[in-house]
Amino acid sequence: KNEVEQSPQNLTAQEGEFITINCSYSVGISALHWLQQHPGGGIVSLFMLSSGKKKHGRLIATINIQEKHSSLHITASHPRDSAVYICAVRKNTDKLIFGTGTRLQVFP
Amino acid sequence: EPEVTQTPSHQVTQMGQEVILRCVPISNHLYFYWYRQILGQKVEFLVSFYNNEISEKSEIFDDQFSVERPDGSNFTLKIRSTKLEDSAMYFCASRGGLAGLDEQFFGPGTRLTVL
Repeated sequence: KNEVEQSPQNLTAQEGEFITINCSYSVGISALHWLQQHPGGGIVSLFMLSSGKKKHGRLIATINIQEKHSSLHITASHPRDSAVYICAVRKNTDKLIFGTGTRLQVFP
Repeated sequence: EPEVTQTPSHQVTQMGQEVILRCVPISNHLYFYWYRQILGQKVEFLVSFYNNEISEKSEIFDDQFSVERPDGSNFTLKIRSTKLEDSAMYFCASRGGLAGLDEQFFGPGTRLTVL
Protein backbone atom coordinates (compact mmCIF):
# COMPACT_ATOMS: atom_id res chain seq x y z
CA LYS A 1 0.00 0.00 0.00
CA ASN A 2 1.24 3.49 -0.86
CA GLU A 3 2.13 5.63 2.12
CA VAL A 4 0.65 8.64 0.33
CA GLU A 5 -2.65 8.37 -1.52
CA GLN A 6 -4.23 11.10 -3.59
CA SER A 7 -7.72 11.47 -4.98
CA PRO A 8 -8.98 11.88 -7.52
CA GLN A 9 -6.34 10.65 -9.98
CA ASN A 10 -7.85 12.75 -12.75
CA LEU A 11 -10.04 15.82 -12.53
CA THR A 12 -11.65 17.95 -15.18
CA ALA A 13 -13.34 21.26 -14.46
CA GLN A 14 -14.85 24.25 -16.18
CA GLU A 15 -13.16 27.57 -15.76
CA GLY A 16 -14.35 29.26 -12.59
CA GLU A 17 -15.12 26.08 -10.67
CA PHE A 18 -13.91 25.42 -7.14
CA ILE A 19 -11.54 22.46 -7.06
CA THR A 20 -10.51 20.17 -4.23
CA ILE A 21 -7.71 17.61 -4.35
CA ASN A 22 -7.26 15.25 -1.42
CA CYS A 23 -4.22 13.59 0.11
CA SER A 24 -4.18 10.91 2.79
CA TYR A 25 -1.10 9.45 4.35
CA SER A 26 -0.51 6.50 6.62
CA VAL A 27 2.69 7.49 8.42
CA GLY A 28 3.74 10.05 11.00
CA ILE A 29 5.04 13.15 9.28
CA SER A 30 6.89 16.32 10.11
CA ALA A 31 5.59 18.23 7.08
CA LEU A 32 3.45 17.88 3.98
CA HIS A 33 4.17 19.52 0.64
CA TRP A 34 1.89 20.36 -2.24
CA LEU A 35 3.73 20.57 -5.55
CA GLN A 36 2.70 21.44 -9.08
CA GLN A 37 4.12 19.71 -12.15
CA HIS A 38 3.50 21.21 -15.57
CA PRO A 39 3.51 19.23 -18.84
CA GLY A 40 7.15 20.21 -19.43
CA GLY A 41 7.98 18.24 -16.30
CA GLY A 42 9.29 20.90 -13.93
CA ILE A 43 8.17 20.77 -10.28
CA VAL A 44 7.16 23.89 -8.39
CA SER A 45 6.61 23.93 -4.65
CA LEU A 46 3.22 25.42 -3.75
CA PHE A 47 2.97 24.89 0.00
CA MET A 48 4.68 23.27 2.91
CA LEU A 49 2.41 22.59 5.89
CA SER A 50 2.87 21.09 9.30
CA SER A 51 -0.47 22.25 10.73
CA GLY A 52 -3.54 24.34 9.99
CA LYS A 53 -4.05 26.17 6.76
CA LYS A 54 -2.12 28.27 4.26
CA LYS A 55 -3.34 30.52 1.46
CA HIS A 56 -1.54 31.90 -1.55
CA GLY A 57 -3.61 33.73 -4.11
CA ARG A 58 -6.36 31.38 -5.29
CA LEU A 59 -4.76 28.36 -3.66
CA ILE A 60 -5.57 27.13 -0.16
CA ALA A 61 -4.00 24.14 1.56
CA THR A 62 -5.23 22.57 4.78
CA ILE A 63 -3.97 19.74 6.89
CA ASN A 64 -5.55 17.67 9.67
CA ILE A 65 -2.74 15.91 11.49
CA GLN A 66 -5.05 13.72 13.60
CA GLU A 67 -6.87 12.42 10.52
CA LYS A 68 -3.67 12.25 8.43
CA HIS A 69 -5.35 14.17 5.65
CA SER A 70 -4.67 17.27 3.60
CA SER A 71 -6.61 19.11 0.93
CA LEU A 72 -5.59 21.52 -1.78
CA HIS A 73 -8.30 23.89 -2.96
CA ILE A 74 -8.26 26.10 -6.04
CA THR A 75 -10.83 28.86 -6.16
CA ALA A 76 -12.01 30.37 -9.45
CA SER A 77 -10.06 27.83 -11.49
CA HIS A 78 -8.45 28.87 -14.75
CA PRO A 79 -7.08 26.89 -17.71
CA ARG A 80 -3.55 27.87 -16.67
CA ASP A 81 -4.12 25.85 -13.47
CA SER A 82 -4.05 22.71 -15.62
CA ALA A 83 -1.18 20.60 -14.29
CA VAL A 84 -0.43 17.59 -12.12
CA TYR A 85 -0.72 18.35 -8.41
CA ILE A 86 1.43 16.21 -6.17
CA CYS A 87 1.25 15.65 -2.44
CA ALA A 88 4.52 14.68 -0.74
CA VAL A 89 5.24 14.01 2.93
CA ARG A 90 8.36 14.31 5.00
CA LYS A 91 8.70 11.75 7.76
CA ASN A 92 11.31 11.92 10.47
CA THR A 93 14.10 11.86 7.92
CA ASP A 94 14.79 14.41 5.24
CA LYS A 95 13.46 12.64 2.16
CA LEU A 96 10.09 13.31 0.59
CA ILE A 97 7.64 10.50 -0.16
CA PHE A 98 5.44 11.36 -3.09
CA GLY A 99 1.88 10.57 -4.03
CA THR A 100 1.02 9.57 -7.57
CA GLY A 101 -0.42 12.98 -8.38
CA THR A 102 -3.75 14.35 -9.52
CA ARG A 103 -3.99 15.43 -13.14
CA LEU A 104 -6.18 18.53 -13.39
CA GLN A 105 -7.56 19.90 -16.64
CA VAL A 106 -9.51 23.14 -16.58
CA PHE A 107 -11.45 23.96 -19.73
CA PRO A 108 -12.49 27.46 -20.80
CA GLU B 1 14.36 35.06 -7.38
CA PRO B 2 17.01 32.38 -6.75
CA GLU B 3 16.39 29.03 -8.40
CA VAL B 4 17.86 25.58 -8.79
CA THR B 5 19.26 24.97 -12.27
CA GLN B 6 20.04 21.69 -13.99
CA THR B 7 22.02 20.78 -17.09
CA PRO B 8 21.53 19.34 -19.57
CA SER B 9 17.78 19.52 -19.99
CA HIS B 10 17.85 16.33 -22.07
CA GLN B 11 20.58 13.69 -22.27
CA VAL B 12 20.54 10.75 -24.64
CA THR B 13 23.08 7.99 -24.07
CA GLN B 14 23.83 4.44 -25.03
CA MET B 15 23.35 1.63 -22.54
CA GLY B 16 26.55 1.03 -20.59
CA GLN B 17 27.80 4.58 -20.92
CA GLU B 18 28.52 6.86 -17.99
CA VAL B 19 26.46 10.01 -17.55
CA ILE B 20 26.86 12.98 -15.25
CA LEU B 21 23.86 15.12 -14.46
CA ARG B 22 24.62 18.56 -13.13
CA CYS B 23 22.78 20.78 -10.71
CA VAL B 24 23.47 24.20 -9.30
CA PRO B 25 21.52 24.50 -6.04
CA ILE B 26 20.39 27.79 -4.60
CA SER B 27 23.33 29.68 -3.20
CA ASN B 28 23.78 29.25 0.57
CA HIS B 29 21.57 26.18 0.69
CA LEU B 30 23.03 23.36 2.74
CA TYR B 31 20.96 20.28 1.89
CA PHE B 32 20.84 18.71 -1.55
CA TYR B 33 18.75 15.94 -3.08
CA TRP B 34 18.27 13.89 -6.20
CA TYR B 35 14.91 12.42 -7.16
CA ARG B 36 13.82 10.60 -10.26
CA GLN B 37 10.53 10.08 -12.07
CA ILE B 38 10.11 7.27 -14.55
CA LEU B 39 7.61 8.21 -17.24
CA GLY B 40 4.06 7.78 -15.97
CA GLN B 41 5.16 6.98 -12.41
CA LYS B 42 5.51 8.93 -9.21
CA VAL B 43 8.59 10.82 -8.13
CA GLU B 44 11.04 8.72 -6.09
CA PHE B 45 13.75 9.75 -3.68
CA LEU B 46 17.30 8.77 -4.62
CA VAL B 47 19.71 10.45 -2.22
CA SER B 48 20.20 13.34 0.18
CA PHE B 49 23.52 15.07 0.77
CA TYR B 50 24.72 17.34 3.55
CA ASN B 51 28.10 18.51 4.76
CA ASN B 52 29.84 16.77 1.87
CA GLU B 53 28.46 13.35 2.56
CA ILE B 54 25.41 11.26 1.82
CA SER B 55 22.78 11.59 4.57
CA GLU B 56 20.36 9.02 3.25
CA LYS B 57 19.92 6.94 0.13
CA SER B 58 17.18 4.75 -1.26
CA GLU B 59 17.37 1.18 -2.49
CA ILE B 60 17.48 2.55 -6.03
CA PHE B 61 20.76 4.32 -5.30
CA ASP B 62 23.06 1.35 -5.75
CA ASP B 63 26.79 1.18 -6.55
CA GLN B 64 26.14 2.46 -10.07
CA PHE B 65 25.18 5.84 -8.66
CA SER B 66 27.33 8.44 -6.99
CA VAL B 67 26.97 12.07 -5.99
CA GLU B 68 29.53 14.77 -5.58
CA ARG B 69 29.82 18.42 -4.76
CA PRO B 70 33.06 19.12 -6.61
CA ASP B 71 33.13 22.85 -5.85
CA GLY B 72 31.10 25.40 -3.97
CA SER B 73 28.28 25.54 -6.48
CA ASN B 74 27.74 22.31 -8.41
CA PHE B 75 26.07 19.11 -7.22
CA THR B 76 26.37 16.16 -9.58
CA LEU B 77 24.76 12.75 -10.01
CA LYS B 78 26.85 10.18 -11.85
CA ILE B 79 25.51 6.94 -13.25
CA ARG B 80 28.49 4.73 -14.04
CA SER B 81 27.02 2.25 -16.50
CA THR B 82 23.56 3.23 -17.61
CA LYS B 83 20.78 0.69 -18.06
CA LEU B 84 17.59 1.02 -20.07
CA GLU B 85 15.62 1.28 -16.83
CA ASP B 86 17.59 4.39 -15.82
CA SER B 87 15.59 6.33 -18.41
CA ALA B 88 13.69 8.88 -16.37
CA MET B 89 13.42 12.53 -15.41
CA TYR B 90 15.98 13.39 -12.74
CA PHE B 91 15.27 16.27 -10.40
CA CYS B 92 17.71 18.03 -8.16
CA ALA B 93 16.44 19.89 -5.11
CA SER B 94 17.97 21.98 -2.37
CA ARG B 95 16.90 23.54 0.90
CA GLY B 96 18.44 26.11 3.14
CA GLY B 97 18.39 24.16 6.38
CA LEU B 98 18.81 27.20 8.57
CA ALA B 99 15.18 27.50 9.59
CA GLY B 100 14.64 23.93 10.72
CA LEU B 101 11.60 22.74 8.84
CA ASP B 102 11.95 24.53 5.50
CA GLU B 103 11.02 23.86 1.91
CA GLN B 104 12.84 21.97 -0.78
CA PHE B 105 13.18 23.85 -4.07
CA PHE B 106 13.28 21.79 -7.23
CA GLY B 107 15.20 22.25 -10.44
CA PRO B 108 13.54 21.89 -13.86
CA GLY B 109 14.84 18.35 -14.32
CA THR B 110 17.06 16.47 -16.75
CA ARG B 111 15.36 13.97 -19.02
CA LEU B 112 17.68 10.99 -19.41
CA THR B 113 17.04 8.62 -22.29
CA VAL B 114 19.08 5.41 -22.39
CA LEU B 115 19.05 3.60 -25.74
